[in-house]
Amino acid sequence: DSGVTQTPKHLITATGQRVTLRCSPRSGDLSVYWYQQSLDQGLQFLIQYYNGEERAKGNILERFSAQQFPDLHSELNLSSLELGDSALYFCASSVHREGWTDTQYFGPGTRLTVL
Amino acid sequence: AQSVTQPDIHITVSEGASLELRCNYSYGATPYLFWYVQSPGQGLQLLLKYFSGDTLVQGIKGFEAEFKRSQSSFNLRKPSVHWSDAAEYFCAVGPYSSASKIIFGSGTRLSIRP
Repeated sequence: DSGVTQTPKHLITATGQRVTLRCSPRSGDLSVYWYQQSLDQGLQFLIQYYNGEERAKGNILERFSAQQFPDLHSELNLSSLELGDSALYFCASSVHREGWTDTQYFGPGTRLTVL
Repeated sequence: AQSVTQPDIHITVSEGASLELRCNYSYGATPYLFWYVQSPGQGLQLLLKYFSGDTLVQGIKGFEAEFKRSQSSFNLRKPSVHWSDAAEYFCAVGPYSSASKIIFGSGTRLSIRP
C-alpha cells in the first residue's frame, strides 16, 4: 500500500460525458502527478501540481483539466469524452516540488472505460 | 528526437535464473534514468534511478541497473528471479528540470516459469 488513494477504481461512461477522478496523496506529500496508461499511447505524464499550483504540464489534452485543493487532494476532470480516452489513470505523489526525480508513490489507478 | 526503447515485449525466465531487461535511450543531454515495476492491478513502483556517479545502481527487491553511456543503455538485472517478480517493467528517462519531459518505454512483461 503506497498511501495514495484514488477513487473510483472503475468508471464506465459514454462518449461526450464528463467525469472527475479523485486522488488523495500520501500524508505530507505536496506534489501530485497524473499519468495516463493506454494500449495506444503507453504510459504518459499528464500534469503535476505542487501545493495547489500547476508545476509541470505534459501530454494533457485541452479537454482535460486538473486542480489541487488546499487539503492537497487533487481532481482530474475529463470532458467531452471519446473512445480513445479509455485508459488507466494513475495519480502519484511526492514530497518535493521537483520531486518527480525523487521517489513517487503511485496509487492503484482508476480504470476509465468510455463506451 | 528523445526516445526510450525496450526491445523485448515479453520475456519468460525460470525461477532462480538470472534476468536482464534491456533499455536503450536517445537523449540530447545527460539523462536521469529510472526503472519502474507494475504488478497486475497495481500502480507503478520505483525500483531504482540513476542521476550521476557510480554507473552501477542498486535498487529495491534485489535489482540493479548499469548505465552505459557509450551504448546509451540502462539495462536492469537480477541474479535470481522469484515468482513474485512477474510483472511489467518500465524504463523511463528525462531531465531533472521538468517532469513534463519524462518519457516512458513501452514496457517489458516478465513471466516466471516454475
